Order: sequence, then structure tokens, then C-alpha cells
Amino acid sequence: EAGVVQSPRYKIIEKKQPVAFWCNPISGHNTLYWYLQNLGQGPELLIRYENEEAVDDSQLPKDRFSAERLKGVDSTLKIQPAELGDSAVYLCASSLRQGSYEQYFGPGTRLTVT
Amino acid sequence: QKEVEQNSGPLSVPEGAIASLNCTYSDRGSQSFFWYRQYSGKSPELIMSIYSNGDKEDGRFTAQLNKASQYVSLLIRDSQPSDSATYLCAVRIFTGGGNKLTFGTGTQLKVEL
Repeated sequence: EAGVVQSPRYKIIEKKQPVAFWCNPISGHNTLYWYLQNLGQGPELLIRYENEEAVDDSQLPKDRFSAERLKGVDSTLKIQPAELGDSAVYLCASSLRQGSYEQYFGPGTRLTVT
Repeated sequence: QKEVEQNSGPLSVPEGAIASLNCTYSDRGSQSFFWYRQYSGKSPELIMSIYSNGDKEDGRFTAQLNKASQYVSLLIRDSQPSDSATYLCAVRIFTGGGNKLTFGTGTQLKVEL
């Protein structure tokens, strides 16, 4: 069974530029999460989707971050414009269904904003 | 008080010894607890989940949960150098946005030859 797929794996951009991350969850997993992880910290939830509905986006900085999950499968997380403080690893995770908190992570995208 | 607390380590144990990793949490109503292993430069990997008080064993790993004392621990028996990683404790906590997993900062484990 294929795991969570993310791309790109690495991204370097200048501040004020836009950037987008893509995630394909494990087949059949209805719940999808985007996390941010800074060095030496645990992952922090940005947004959670149940199918195509964003059910928890309370931690998403909506002035510059946006996300979508069309058709309830793939998801895209966008930052526009990027700031220096956005440099981090962006992780996508999925779980089988709502209420199952056993989450499986993708390899992550390491973003560097210069 | 942090919602999930772990000692950042590093915790150093000799090969073959038992490694004991601890985690405390603040929400007394939490019901689901998880341990993730994260190698340097890699993403977290789920290794154990526990939902009831007591012990849960899976191979060399044992998770222990004590809800009254609000702590969860992970024991690794016969520690191997390949166990050297950061271990993240995650707790399902109810927030204004619903239930979510809250992670600790992780404990770095070093298994020495």
C-alpha cells in the first residue's frame, strides 16, 4: 500500500513569493491533515479535512495561507506571500476516517524562505 | 503549562538496555495517546497507540498509560542503535475547533554501542 505522497520535497523561495505544496493521502483515507514542524518542535496542526470539508482551520493563518481539497482526495496548501518565518517542514498526514486519530505522515516539504 | 510535555533529552542508553520515555498531558479528558518515532530529517512514524489504562505491548515496545496521573510512557526493550531517534508523544485533546492531536516536543534517544 502506497503511503502519503507529498511534493515537492524541498523548496527554496524568496520572501514575498508564493509557494504551493501538494499532498496525495493513502488510498481510502478520508481525513487529511496539514501540519507545520519547526526544528526541535512537534508538528502543529494547520488544517484538517474530512473528505472535501475543512472541519478545523482554526490554526491556519488565513491572511497568507490557503488550502483546498477538491474531490476529497488530493490537497494543496498555499502560502502567498511567504515570509522568512514560514521556513519550516510542512507535513501532510491522513487517517482512515473521522474519529480515527492514528495518523500517517508523508515525507514532508522542507521550505526555506530567503 | 504545556498541553503535552516531554523531556527533550538526549536520553542515552547502552545497547541492549531498556529505554524509558515519559510524557505528561494537561487535559484530564484525553482518551487517545500515540507514540511516533522520527529519525533525523524524516517524518514522524506511528509506532504505538494506547487508549486504556495499563500496558500495551508490541514487540520490543510497551506503552503504559495512567490516566489518573496523566502520564503515558514508552518502554523500548533490548534497545538497538537503530532505535536512536526522536520520540514524539501525541495526545488527542479537545479544543474549540474539535478534537486534534497535540504533539510534545519529543525526546531524543541515543542508543550507544
